[in-house]
Amino acid sequence: AQKITQTQPGMFVQEKEAVTLDCTYDTSDPSYGLFWYKQPSSGEMIFLIYQGSYDQQNATEGRYSLNFQKARKSANLVISASQLGDSAMYFCAMSNSGSARQLTFGSGTQLTVLP
Amino acid sequence: NAGVTQTPKFQVLKTGQSMTLQCAQDMNHNSMYWYRQDPGMGLRLIYYSASEGTTDKGEVPNGYNVSRLNKREFSLRLESAAPSQTSVYFCASSLARGFGTYNEQFFGPGTRLTVL
Repeated sequence: AQKITQTQPGMFVQEKEAVTLDCTYDTSDPSYGLFWYKQPSSGEMIFLIYQGSYDQQNATEGRYSLNFQKARKSANLVISASQLGDSAMYFCAMSNSGSARQLTFGSGTQLTVLP
Repeated sequence: NAGVTQTPKFQVLKTGQSMTLQCAQDMNHNSMYWYRQDPGMGLRLIYYSASEGTTDKGEVPNGYNVSRLNKREFSLRLESAAPSQTSVYFCASSLARGFGTYNEQFFGPGTRLTVL
């Protein structure tokens, strides 16, 4: 069974500063993928970034980067130069190597960016 | 492209009533999924369909049934609604082939369901 743990229910960051959202995972599957999604107050789920278990380099997408530490089973999301529009719920999720690549989600971190 | 569409957006049911949530995708994706999201929680997988003609139970399947009508459509049915099924329901789809960022799941806008 897979498990995703997000230990920060809420985080605050000052506008223009960087913030790290923590995510640890547990799986016995050697092939897996790690995803981060953003859910603003409007409710939609927005894909941010992906890291594969065999990827050698940390993923980056614009202001988002994923700090992947395989031995520690962690996949932290780093948001640089925070903006007010980054205020949202952030979910870490993991897919397995099953035929449907179904996702297991963490409980989320509510990020608030302060002006 | 509309992406993933869900109907209805809102629904209020009385305990014991039945209803079907509809989901369709136009991205030629192989796999489709139904999740529920309860307040302050992450998404939990109800059922999924790896490909047309197959369906499997997820983490919380009790009280639900699904139908993969064709490659585009995946419906979720509540046969006898209970207050514990009050939630926001998301449908998603994915290519689900190989590994890579292209296996991201695309989500519909959600259905907010209240069972009285």
